Parts: sequence; structure tokens; C-alpha cells
Amino acid sequence: AQSVAQPEDQVNVAEGNPLTVKCTYSVSGNPYLFWYVQYPNRGLQFLLKYITGDNLVKGSYGFEAEFNKSQTSFHLKKPSALVSDSALYFCAVRDTYSGNTPLVFGKGTRLSVIA
Amino acid sequence: GAGVSQSPSNKVTEKGKDVELRCDPISGHTALYWYRQSLGQGLEFLIYFQGNSAPDKSGLPSDRFSAERTGGSVSTLTIQRTQQEDSAVYLCASSLQGQNYGYTFGSGTRLTVV
Repeated sequence: AQSVAQPEDQVNVAEGNPLTVKCTYSVSGNPYLFWYVQYPNRGLQFLLKYITGDNLVKGSYGFEAEFNKSQTSFHLKKPSALVSDSALYFCAVRDTYSGNTPLVFGKGTRLSVIA
Repeated sequence: GAGVSQSPSNKVTEKGKDVELRCDPISGHTALYWYRQSLGQGLEFLIYFQGNSAPDKSGLPSDRFSAERTGGSVSTLTIQRTQQEDSAVYLCASSLQGQNYGYTFGSGTRLTVV
């Protein structure tokens, strides 16, 4: 069975500082990994995904994520946080071994960027 | 359409009533998903439609929940005899067929059972 964990419910960071939102996963085969962001009263928006190739994936709004197979992690990062980055972030995984199954989402991490 | 459209955006219903939630996916997206988002619980998978295949209903929490997708497009999620624990945001998403595709989400329906 596939699963994903976001160990932090809340991350606080000062504007201009680098940010990291953590995600670890468990799959039987190889993972397809996704990050989504949810702003208040909105649906989830796609940020980036890892399918294959380079372990460092660049996405929307200056975000990037690094796939680490040995640590089964896919942490979301940004070099310099903005107040407008404050939102709820979800990591999701699909196990390639299981076929075209629905994405499994983590519980989300609330990012608060303080001016 | 340009995005995934869900209606209504908000629904308040009395305990025991039935409700219907609608999702209009992106044209050409053959896969359609329903998730439920409860406070502190993340996204809970409910049901998945893919083309003409039988839907994956493995996430439906009880037999009070059902969903259909007509003509491979619009989907309706029905909750019968609503309970207070059904209060949540119900999210619909659609995607192209294939493991490497992510989802496009609608804005959700916030259901409150009083």
C-alpha cells in the first residue's frame, strides 16, 4: 500500500528566509510524487511533480523539490519565502506498481510566512 | 470548460436530509475523482471514475454515499440521510488518463450538516 507523511502540521518562517516543507513516502514500486498548494477557500493547485529523471524538480512560484530515493523523501523548498506563500501544502504519491490508482495525499502542512 | 466546476459552493442541510453535489470536469479529462477534506484530516479519497470502466468505490465511507458519472462527463455525489460527521469540503478533480498526470481540482463544496 502507498502512503505519504507530512511530519509537520505547521511551519513558520520569516519573509526572505529559505523554507522547507517535509514529505516522506512509502510505496512498493517506484513513486510518482506531487506537491499541491491550497489557498483559503480555494481548491488545490498543482505546484510540481517528480516522475523520472533529475532528482531536483522545479515548479511554479519559485518552488522546487528534491527527490531522495534512499531517504524516501520529497521535500518542498524555496530559497526566499514570501508572505503570499502562506497557505496549506499537500504532498501526494502514486505507486507505479499499483497502476493508475488515485493519488494518496498527506494531511497537509500549514506554512505561515511572517513579515 | 476552462477548469473543474463544482456546485454548489456552499450547502447547509439538516441532519437526515439527502444532498447532491455536482462536478463538471475539464473537457477531455477521462478520469474524475472525489475527495473529502475534513479539518486536520487531509484529503480522503472517496471514488474514482475512469472512462467507461467500473468506478473504484473503495473510499466511500458508508452505503449512504454514492456517485455517478453521466456520459463520461458530469458527476454527481449523493449523500443520503446526512449526518453531522459528513460536514466537510468535498473536492472534485479531473485528469488525463495515465499515471504521470496530476489532477486539476475544483474549488470544492463546503457541506455543513446541522
